[in-house]
Amino acid sequence: SQELEQSPQSLIVQEGKNLTINCTSSKTLYGLYWYKQKYGEGLIFLMMLQKGGEEKSHEKITAKLDEKKQQSSLHITASQPSHAGIYLCGAVGPNDYKLSFGAGTTVTVRA
Amino acid sequence: NAGVTQTPKFQVLKTGQSMTLQCAQDMNHEYMSWYRQDPGMGLRLIHYSVGAGITDQGEVPNGYNVSRSTTEDFPLRLLSAAPSQTSVYFCASSNPLDSRASFGPGTRLLVL
Repeated sequence: SQELEQSPQSLIVQEGKNLTINCTSSKTLYGLYWYKQKYGEGLIFLMMLQKGGEEKSHEKITAKLDEKKQQSSLHITASQPSHAGIYLCGAVGPNDYKLSFGAGTTVTVRA
Repeated sequence: NAGVTQTPKFQVLKTGQSMTLQCAQDMNHEYMSWYRQDPGMGLRLIHYSVGAGITDQGEVPNGYNVSRSTTEDFPLRLLSAAPSQTSVYFCASSNPLDSRASFGPGTRLLVL
């Protein structure tokens, strides 16, 4: 199965500041997914990246996939309290429909 | 569209009791999965199914059984609950043409 390591484990940012979360895979990435989870709730799909060098943005969140480094990053610009939560990266293998997840990064945004 | 629904939302069990966590989806997704989430460990795959009548083990299957008799439903059975099974359980479904998974709201289980 795909092993995913996320860093940092947690971070605290001042409202309005930028932040970056990294997700590194032990194997080649064939599909990388970013999800957000608010405390006590289910996961909400953010973005899916499939090709090396691919970059996607939604509102103030941008995700990139570096296939060679087997790594993805999630960047939030000008963070807001609504960005607080747990961010998880997930990945599938080439012929594997099982979605594996990293341990998650807890983001706290201070007003 | 209700999406993925899970029942119950909360459950307290005594060691040795059995129970079934229910999961249903109304999106006609072929793939369904069960995960457990524990602090600092992210989501770990328990069992998954790629279609009605087909199930397979994930990363942490011991102590859990599943069956998939219909496309819509994928119940998770705890045969003899243990304190180590205290966790939050999430059910997910997805379409093979678009691997984005939709998740249910979760079931919080406490085993005493």
